[in-house]
Order: sequence, then C-alpha cells, then structure tokens
Amino acid sequence: DVKVTQSSRYLVKRTGEKVFLECVQDMDHENMFWYRQDPGLGLRLIYFSYDVKMKEKGDIPEGYSVSREKKERFSLILESASTNQTSMYLCASRTGTGWVGNQPQHFGDGTRLSIL
Amino acid sequence: AQSVTQPDIHITVSEGASLELRCNYSYGATPYLFWYVQSPGQGLQLLLKYFSGDTLVQGIKGFEAEFKRSQSSFNLRKPSVHWSDAAEYFCAVGARTTDSWGKLQFGAGTQVVVTP
Repeated sequence: DVKVTQSSRYLVKRTGEKVFLECVQDMDHENMFWYRQDPGLGLRLIYFSYDVKMKEKGDIPEGYSVSREKKERFSLILESASTNQTSMYLCASRTGTGWVGNQPQHFGDGTRLSIL
Repeated sequence: AQSVTQPDIHITVSEGASLELRCNYSYGATPYLFWYVQSPGQGLQLLLKYFSGDTLVQGIKGFEAEFKRSQSSFNLRKPSVHWSDAAEYFCAVGARTTDSWGKLQFGAGTQVVVTP
C-alpha cells in the first residue's frame, strides 16, 4: 500500500511565523500535491510538483511556497503565517508514469494548522 | 467554467437503509471521475473511479457509482449502509486534455451520518 506521511497531525503557530509542513511518500511517485481543506469548500489545490525540483501553482498559491529537493519529500511553506491560513492541509502523491489522469491520488492523514 | 457540485451538504440515513450521494459536473471535455471517502481524522481514501467503458462502476466497501453523460452526473450508491460508513464523501473530476497534468477539481463534500 502507498504510504503518505505528514509530519504533524496538529500544529499551532503565531502570525508572522514561517511555517513548514512536511510530506513524505514511500512509493517512488513522481507527482505530489498540497491541498487545503475548508468546510463547505472541499479541497483546493495549493501547489503541485510533477517531479524533483519542478512545481506548478494550483488554484490558491498566494502566501505559500513549496520545495521538492528529493523525490519522496514535498514541503509546503507558509512564508509569513496569517490567521486566514488556519485550515486542514492535505498532501497527496500519484504515479507520474503513463496517462496520469488514470491514476488516483493517495492522501496523507492531514495536518490541522492553527495560526494564532 | 469547470465545476463540481455536490448538492447535499449533509445526509442522515438509518443503518441498513440505502444511500445515494449526488455529484454533478460541468466540464468542457469528457471527464474522468472519482469518489473519495474521508473518515474522521483521516485523509481521503479512493472508493472508485470512472474513465471509460461500463458506466456502472463498482468500488470498495460495497459502493457503486453510475456515470450518466446526459445528466452530467456521477452518483454514488450503497444498497445497505453500515455504521462505519459515517464519513465525508467527495466527488472529484478531471478533464481529459492532452496538456493537462491530471489536475482534479473536488466538490464541497457530503457529510453522511448513520443512525441506529
């Protein structure tokens, strides 16, 4: 089974702090994703990485950046945390071989981030 | 604009009764479709997916979904609900375009409560 591990289940930070959320997958997947989940809004894509050191902006990238230095690890960075970034953050991975539209995304258990 | 709608925010169903969750989409291209389930405190788990072929798709945990192109719908069903089916369910849709990197759009989710 694919295992996607997010380093923290719960995290509390203060406004203005630089925050790092880490995600590791063990299936040698090329593609990795960061989503934000808010009630009534479903999942919204923040950033996507299709391979090491490669990234694409998603639907809501403002206030976030990402890093993918190794294939298995994808980090989400809140440059200067604000209260409106309090949310559940989900990481996902997917194989990048073949037609990727056929491949499901595999999710971690999420990090619930509170910005005070 | 592309969109995914789950009209029911919340559904309450008795254990043993049937369940149907609605998903409607608006996409310019032929879509590929997924249903995911999220149990409390966990990430999303894939229930089933549709790309082509038979429009009735079987998934895990006794769920099935039917793709109806004429109605732009992909509704999820289960004949007899178990208490463990209490969770949030997400429909996700992507477009079959050659320049797409398989980005998915998620619905807002339907919360299912199962009563004894």
